[in-house]
Amino acid sequence: AQSVSQHNHHVILSEAASLELGCNYSYGGTVNLFWYVQYPGQHLQLLLKYFSGDPLVKGIKGFEAEFIKSKFSFNLRKPSVQWSDTAEYFCAVNWPGTDKLIFGTGTRLQVFP
Amino acid sequence: SQTIHQWPATLVQPVGSPLSLECTVEGTSNPNLYWYRQAAGRGLQLLFYSVGIGQISSEVPQNLSASRPQDRQFILSSKKLLLSDSGFYLCASRQGGYGYTFGSGTRLTVV
Repeated sequence: AQSVSQHNHHVILSEAASLELGCNYSYGGTVNLFWYVQYPGQHLQLLLKYFSGDPLVKGIKGFEAEFIKSKFSFNLRKPSVQWSDTAEYFCAVNWPGTDKLIFGTGTRLQVFP
Repeated sequence: SQTIHQWPATLVQPVGSPLSLECTVEGTSNPNLYWYRQAAGRGLQLLFYSVGIGQISSEVPQNLSASRPQDRQFILSSKKLLLSDSGFYLCASRQGGYGYTFGSGTRLTVV
């Protein structure tokens, strides 16, 4: 079955620390990959997405993600986090030919000043 | 661009009562529509999706059902709510390409 795993459930960092959140998906082949963010009390917001081309994708607010096909991974990174990055982060995968967008369980990021 | 309307924003319902959550989409036609539930510590779980009027696919067995009576209307229902139905319900839409739009969600508390 198609599934998406986010192994970091809760991450606590100080401001200016580097961030890497893991995302792995279960099924090979062509995929469309997404990272969403949900700030406290707000809607889901798209951070970045990958469909094809350069596997290093740059998104909003200084985030980037790298698609590594051989590892079925799409990890999210930011070199220096800010307090305002405190939020929940969701990885999501769509397998072309299906109509479904499958989410991971999310990672709660807390950044302390 | 697409806009999704979900209501109500919050709902408190007693166990055993019925449920009807509505989602309507503007700015597109013939979208794929989705219902997700976000429960604490469990991320976003896909409940149902629909590729057209009257076409519903269920992803997980549960106490809920979905219907799509019109192209841009997607309804989530239950005949008798359980405590475990509490959660945050999100409607989403996709039309062409790979862009997904999410509604603002409904916080359901079953007491």
